[in-house]
Order: sequence, then structure tokens, then C-alpha cells
Amino acid sequence: AQKITQTQPGMFVQEKEAVTLDCTYDTSDQSYGLFWYKQPSSGEMIFLIYQGSYDEQNATEGRYSLNFQKARKSANLVISASQLGDSAMYFCAMRELYTGGFKTIFGAGTRLFVKA
Amino acid sequence: EAQVTQNPRYLITVTGKKLTVTCSQNMNHEYMSWYRQDPGLGLRQIYYSMNVEVTDKGDVPEGYKVSRKEKRNFPLILESPSPNQTSLYFCASSLQGFGETQYFGPGTRLLVL
Repeated sequence: AQKITQTQPGMFVQEKEAVTLDCTYDTSDQSYGLFWYKQPSSGEMIFLIYQGSYDEQNATEGRYSLNFQKARKSANLVISASQLGDSAMYFCAMRELYTGGFKTIFGAGTRLFVKA
Repeated sequence: EAQVTQNPRYLITVTGKKLTVTCSQNMNHEYMSWYRQDPGLGLRQIYYSMNVEVTDKGDVPEGYKVSRKEKRNFPLILESPSPNQTSLYFCASSLQGFGETQYFGPGTRLLVL
């Protein structure tokens, strides 16, 4: 069963505008962590932001914020004031505790294109 | 510099020829993991290790082996590679805990003919 769903394979946004990348997840656990990573065309994986399942405040890191709606099981990434350098692949991920330890599940990703 | 290194970065091989991709981290992290990335599928976890001598299967372990004899190293072994293992492979490490950020290696692009 798909546990992380990113429904937008590709998105366009105008430079300097805000954009929201969607992520929904599926878990029956109460404790879990949610992450967003950026993968530019060069291929490296860059950590952007983290939200814990018990965190009451939405996480923010500079221009990145995470819109966490626990009841709806969504963890959308909001990028404010988009820049050309934001053009990349973005992955949502969830970390859960299994019998053997922590497992991490990634979504299929959303490719963001920032237009000048 | 804190980093995760992988070798080789690029590898072309033939079906059935055993290979090892090395992974090393210098951050004293307990947790290490291997992922493969395929178009349209995102990253899928192959194996992970909570600490030395402790490893467990991820979602796609078939055809792969790992070992964790030292804290810093976590090699990925393909005993008999097949073309469906052609992929981009990432090693990652972190401290323990839900909220600990995983640090990724640069990736290894593998082509199995």
C-alpha cells in the first residue's frame, strides 16, 4: 500500500511567487517523523525541513514551511518567494519505528519548475 | 568535513558478476541505510542498520546483502546482479531518533547489462 502520496508529478511557479507541494501519508502509528528533501539536477539529496508527529507548531526553515494537518494526514511543503534555484525534484518522506528499527518511506516526488 | 562517501560513483557491469558498493561516514552515526532511486518511484529503502552488527530489511531487499562490522562502514553487496537492479543508489546515515536528519552520499549510478 502506498504510504506517501505526492499527487503532483510536475509543477510550474513564477519566480517570487509562493508554491505548495502536496504530500499525504498513511500510518496507524502515533509517533513518526515527516521530512522534505530537495534533489537538484546535480543529484544530491538536500534536507529541507522536519515535522514531528507530536509537534503542535508547523515547522519553518527560512523560506520553507510545512503545513502539517495531522487529522487529514497531510504535510504540504510551502516555498515562499520562489527562486530560480528552487527548480528541482522534491521528495516527502516519513520515518516510522518498526520492530527492527527506523524505516523511511519516500513519495514519488514532485518536479518543480520556477519560471523567470 | 562531515560527509557520507560512496564508491564507485558510476559502475557498468554484466549480469551475474558480483559487486560491492562501499559507503562510509565520518559523523559517528549509529544509523545507516541504503536506498535505490528509480524514475516515478522515488527512493525505496533496501536495508538499514541501527548499529554495528544490527541490520534489517527495508522494502526492497531482494537481491542485495549488507553487513555492518564497523560503525562507519555499510557496504552494499550484489551477489548476482541482474538488469532490474540498474538504478541510482544512495547511502545515508543519521543519529537515532524520529527527527534525526539523514545525510546522503552522492549516489552510485549502476548499469547492469
